[in-house]
Amino acid sequence: GAVVSQHPSWVICKSGTSVKIECRSLDFQATTMFWYRQFPKQSLMLMATSNEGSKATYEQGVEKDKFLINHASLTLSTLTVTSAHPEDSSFYICSAAKDRDYEQYFGPGTRLTVT
Amino acid sequence: KQEVTQIPAALSVPEGENLVLNCSFTDSAIYNLQWFRQDPGKGLTSLLLIQSSQREQTSGRLNASLDKSSGRSTLYIAASQPGDSATYLCAANTGGFKTIFGAGTRLFVKA
Repeated sequence: GAVVSQHPSWVICKSGTSVKIECRSLDFQATTMFWYRQFPKQSLMLMATSNEGSKATYEQGVEKDKFLINHASLTLSTLTVTSAHPEDSSFYICSAAKDRDYEQYFGPGTRLTVT
Repeated sequence: KQEVTQIPAALSVPEGENLVLNCSFTDSAIYNLQWFRQDPGKGLTSLLLIQSSQREQTSGRLNASLDKSSGRSTLYIAASQPGDSATYLCAANTGGFKTIFGAGTRLFVKA
């Protein structure tokens, strides 16, 4: 199998605080991990791609200083939303890929609400 | 720039009907195309993955076809059930992990 988990599944934080979301590949080593965000009734938009041990590659329009991504190991990537604001409220989904087979395995998502 | 479009945006059908969901993409140079299911507030469940060299894939009551030359893929659901109600997303992989998602088709199957 290829199971990806995310933690937490939902989080509520106050405006101005930071929140960290974890993405783990449970039964395989992920050379590449991806972070997406999804607004209600909209599709997934890729935010960034991360490779273990190197800096993440951010999509155009995504603030790298606001959305900090760390891919510390072959099974763990974290997304930290810094100084969160209500407009950052969204559904964040990570995915992981094995080697180079180009198939992504998706996590269950994290619902972030900033009040 | 690859763009993925899904039609219809929403669909309501009575239980038992066979139905077709459509996905079109603007750049035929894709590596693969994948269909996902997403339940409200949940993550993605992969349904079918079609490699660029393939024409179709089948899993149970689901059949997905791919026509690269016309930039189209269809997901066929046979004998629909209320449990099939969800949003169905297609995603085109243009290589190098560049995956572009469509906006999805929200399906409601009435009992």
